Amino acid sequence: DTGVSQNPRHKITKRGQNVTFRCDPISEHNRLYWYRQTLGQGPEFLTYFQNEAQLEKSRLLSDRFSAERPKGSFSTLEIQRTEQGDSAMYLCASSLGGGYEDIQYFGAGTRLSVL
Amino acid sequence: AQRVTQPEKLLSVFKGAPVELKCNYSYSGSPELFWYVQYSRQRLQLLLRHISRESIKGFTADLNKGETSFHLKKPFAQEEDSAMYYCALSGTTSGTYKYIFGTGTRLKVLA
Repeated sequence: DTGVSQNPRHKITKRGQNVTFRCDPISEHNRLYWYRQTLGQGPEFLTYFQNEAQLEKSRLLSDRFSAERPKGSFSTLEIQRTEQGDSAMYLCASSLGGGYEDIQYFGAGTRLSVL
Repeated sequence: AQRVTQPEKLLSVFKGAPVELKCNYSYSGSPELFWYVQYSRQRLQLLLRHISRESIKGFTADLNKGETSFHLKKPFAQEEDSAMYYCALSGTTSGTYKYIFGTGTRLKVLA
């Protein structure tokens, strides 16, 4: 499968626990994006990487959130001290990185439920 | 404020009827506009983008800068068009990239 891969597909955790999600982009893609999607809403931009550099972070990304993309390949999104409001679908996308007209290719997402 | 507005949460049409999914945007600059689609149990995928000026699956979208709109149209709806449609824009403001999605419109094409 040459598409964007996200793991796990579902995560159930208790409030206060830390969780980490992984995204493997399409191999030749330089850009990688993280979005959050809650019920009835469109994807909300969280952050994006150009290779290993994190170039943009949304105000939605509080101090409890951190994202990395070591070596410019896969990326991880960690949420510390989860809260019930963090329950959402977390989407990863990648693109070739030519510009803002890039087509983004999305993964299937990781659904987080915080109890 | 920079935003994308899709005023209809749900649009139901009969098979063979014309479809128009509305999208208005507010952005200081010249953004690129996209329509993404999510079919049942599938991931979000690009349907079309303004820069390509293509017709995909019979859908077209025209960017109207005066009205800041990018409505999606199809002359004859088919049942397989039933899906969730998201309008999105991307662009730069003061060197900062912006990626903004609308809240989506669910299209139901009735037999």
